[in-house]
Amino acid sequence: GESVGLHLPTLSVQEGDNSIINCAYSNSASDYFIWYKQESGKGPQFIIDIRSNMDKRQGQRVTVLLNKTVKHLSLQIAATQPGDSAVYFCAENSAPHGGTSYGKLTFGQGTILTVHP
Amino acid sequence: DVKVTQSSRYLVKRTGEKVFLECVQDMDHENMFWYRQDPGLGLRLIYFSYDVKMKEKGDIPEGYSVSREKKERFSLILESASTNQTSMYLCASSLLRGTGVEKLFFGSGTQLSVL
Repeated sequence: GESVGLHLPTLSVQEGDNSIINCAYSNSASDYFIWYKQESGKGPQFIIDIRSNMDKRQGQRVTVLLNKTVKHLSLQIAATQPGDSAVYFCAENSAPHGGTSYGKLTFGQGTILTVHP
Repeated sequence: DVKVTQSSRYLVKRTGEKVFLECVQDMDHENMFWYRQDPGLGLRLIYFSYDVKMKEKGDIPEGYSVSREKKERFSLILESASTNQTSMYLCASSLLRGTGVEKLFFGSGTQLSVL
């Protein structure tokens, strides 16, 4: 079946460094990708999303890059802060080919980001 | 901001009990979802609903059922709880747009322990 996976389960950075979290996907029909941040004891929070007609999208301190050729998605966090420490999930829409997704998302396993002061 | 509220933060039940997890959203979203989250497995979709009284199975529906009698409320039911249903349960909602997928808004989760 289709899946979304992460290259690294953990990432440790120093405060002020830039962080890059990677994600590989296998569903070539996916047209929507999204990153969530989950802090301990909380539900996932939306960070940024991107549709397949784009290859880059920027938010506040975050950038998502989409490479459809190699089916790769990345989240870049600039000037990482201790408050950025969390689990980060990538997700893709999981519509069957030619079908309707009804907004269903398939999630990766997550990457733990730890930011050291 | 969208608010998705799950009725319980922590829940402890016994094997064989019938369990109800309730979720309410306040933004008139058409889509609602139930996921379970387990360490190392990420979020897995149990059931979803795209309209009142409509429901669709997700990837792991076995042992669960759902109810959506009102647009704002989506209930997850464990007919006979088992220990392998000990997990974090997350409810989410989203708009249904003709342009396709929209981002999901999640509740804070219910940590269910089945003893």
